[in-house]
Amino acid sequence: SQQGEEDPQALSIQEGENATMNCSYKTSINNLQWYRQNSGRGLVHLILIRSNEREKHSGRLRVTLDTSKKSSSLLITASRAADTASYFCASKDISNFGNEKLTFGTGTRLTIIP
Amino acid sequence: DAGITQSPRYKITETGRQVTLMCHQTWSHSYMFWYRQDLGHGLRLIYYSAAADITDKGEVPDGYVVSRSKTENFPLTLESATRSQTSVYFCASSYNNEQFFGPGTRLTVL
Repeated sequence: SQQGEEDPQALSIQEGENATMNCSYKTSINNLQWYRQNSGRGLVHLILIRSNEREKHSGRLRVTLDTSKKSSSLLITASRAADTASYFCASKDISNFGNEKLTFGTGTRLTIIP
Repeated sequence: DAGITQSPRYKITETGRQVTLMCHQTWSHSYMFWYRQDLGHGLRLIYYSAAADITDKGEVPDGYVVSRSKTENFPLTLESATRSQTSVYFCASSYNNEQFFGPGTRLTVL
């Protein structure tokens, strides 16, 4: 399989705590993205980090990228019940220049306990 | 409304039947994708299209056929459905590396 792996597969935390999810990928990449999927819905894009970036922020989201380890992490700070969802990383292989194909990970199921 | 739509949302069919899942986008994005989502496998790419009349295989294309005669439509056909094709199918379009997903079609093959 060409897919990346996400860790943990499932995570439950109390509301207000921070949630960290990790993603490992297999190839050299152009960029890495994170998506959220609420139950029964399609995926929604959250944030994109390019291969020459190490950290990126968007609101309560912080993404890091370590290309030497082929890994990324997504931190959600001050979690809310509405953050309950599955989170997927998606990588764009560097060989896909000019192509918008992504390889998705297997996802982390995040549950926020009120 | 602008966006990406899929039809039907739910479909039950029998082994051996042909099934077509529809996908329509209103943005005129060049790239479109079909994925299947199964427990433990995340999203797996079935086929994708870079433009009208240009399609290519993804990771799991066997048993599926696509066409794209118009930019806005990207139908996926299961020529002879099998139980292993029971899944949730997502269509997506892409612009500037960001993918936009439809609501999905839940397909059950009996």
